[in-house]
Amino acid sequence: AQSVTQLDSHVSVSEGTPVLLRCNYSSSYSPSLFWYVQHPNKGLQLLLKYTSAATLVKGINGFEAEFKKSETSFHLTKPSAHMSDAAEYFCVVSRSHGSSNTGKLIFGQGTTLQVKP
Amino acid sequence: DTGVSQNPRHKITKRGQNVTFRCDPISEHNRLYWYRQTLGQGPEFLTYFQNEAQLEKSRLLSDRFSAERPKGSFSTLEIQRTEQGDSAMYLCASSEPKERYTGELFFGEGSRLTVL
Repeated sequence: AQSVTQLDSHVSVSEGTPVLLRCNYSSSYSPSLFWYVQHPNKGLQLLLKYTSAATLVKGINGFEAEFKKSETSFHLTKPSAHMSDAAEYFCVVSRSHGSSNTGKLIFGQGTTLQVKP
Repeated sequence: DTGVSQNPRHKITKRGQNVTFRCDPISEHNRLYWYRQTLGQGPEFLTYFQNEAQLEKSRLLSDRFSAERPKGSFSTLEIQRTEQGDSAMYLCASSEPKERYTGELFFGEGSRLTVL
């Protein structure tokens, strides 16, 4: 079985300070891991993905995530928050890319990022 | 706009009525997915199609729910005899064919259902 746990339901940072959104995963298979972002009244958008290549993954808008197998973690970071980063962030797991990969995603419960001026 | 399109964006209905949502995926994507998102939760998988074939259904999809993709292009999700617990955002997504699949799903903006 696969699951993800987002350790914080709400994170508040000041503009210009670092962002850390924490995610732990559980998977019986070699996982693919993703972070998606959801802005109000917008569709979910892929930020970045890990599919068994480099463990440090760079995404859009300056976000990064590091896959740590020993810690079963995939935390999302950004060096300097911008007001436009305020949104809901979802950590997501699926079976590793391959012929059996159906694209069925397991979402975490989400972390609301608030950015204060 | 060549993204995933969902209609209607918002539907308010009375308990017991039937509702239908439509999803138009990105044209070259042969896989199509339906997810449900309730307030404060992450999206949950409901079902997915490869072309016109429905290949997997979640246990969340009770027999009041039916999804179709008759010609392998657009899809509909029908909910019969709606209940207040059906109130949620229904999300549609599409992805590349298996041979070009990169792991990314492209989501529409969702159809919000409110059952009174």
